[in-house]
Amino acid sequence: ILNVEQSPQSLHVQEGDSTNFTCSFPSSNFYALHWYRWETAKSPEALFVMTLNGDEKKKGRISATLNTKEGYSYLYIKGSQPEDSATYLCAFEANTGKLIFGQGTTLQVKP
Amino acid sequence: GAGVSQTPSNKVTEKGKYVELRCDPISGHTALYWYRQSLGQGPEFLIYFQGTGAADDSGLPNDRFFAVRPEGSVSTLKIQRTERGDSAVYLCASSRGVTDTQYFGPGTRLTVL
Repeated sequence: ILNVEQSPQSLHVQEGDSTNFTCSFPSSNFYALHWYRWETAKSPEALFVMTLNGDEKKKGRISATLNTKEGYSYLYIKGSQPEDSATYLCAFEANTGKLIFGQGTTLQVKP
Repeated sequence: GAGVSQTPSNKVTEKGKYVELRCDPISGHTALYWYRQSLGQGPEFLIYFQGTGAADDSGLPNDRFFAVRPEGSVSTLKIQRTERGDSAVYLCASSRGVTDTQYFGPGTRLTVL
C-alpha cells in the first residue's frame, strides 16, 4: 500500500512569518511529486511538479525541494500573507497516471 | 481559457437514491480522473479515462460506483443506492496526457442524508 504523509496537519502563523511543511512518500517506483494549493470553495491549484532528485522549484514566495532517495519533499513559504491561507496537498505519482495524495497541511495566516 | 467544470456544485440526496455527477474537462485533454475527498483526508483516486476507455478503475470502492466517458470528453460518475458513507467532495481533473499536470475542477459536494 502506497502511503503519503504530510506534516504538520495544521499550522497557524502570523503575517510575515516564514513556514515550511513536509511530505514523505515511497522512494520506490517514483515518477513525480506534485504540490497543490486548495483554497476553500475553489479548485485545487497546481503549484509544482517535481521529477528529479535534488530538484528545487520556486514560484514567487513559495519554493519546494525534492529528495527521491529518502522520499521527502519540503514546501517553503517566505513571508506568509493572509492570502496564503489554504490547504497544501502533496501527491505521489508512480507513472501510472493516478495521484496518491497526502492528507494535506492546512495553513492559517493571521493578519 | 475555460478550466475544468463540475455540476452540480452541491448535491443533497437521501440514502438509497441514485445520483449522477458531471465533469467537463479542459478542451483537448485526453485524460480524465475522478477523486473523492472525505472529511479530514486527502483526495483518494477512483478512476481515470484515457480517451473513452477506463484505463484504471481500481479505486472505485464497490459496484455501486460507475463512470462513463462515451465521447472522450464529458464524464459522468454514477452512484447507485447511495449510503451515508458516500458523503464527500468528488473532484474531477483532466490532463493533456497521462503523467502530465492534472488540472482540477471545484468539486461536487455530495451529502447523503
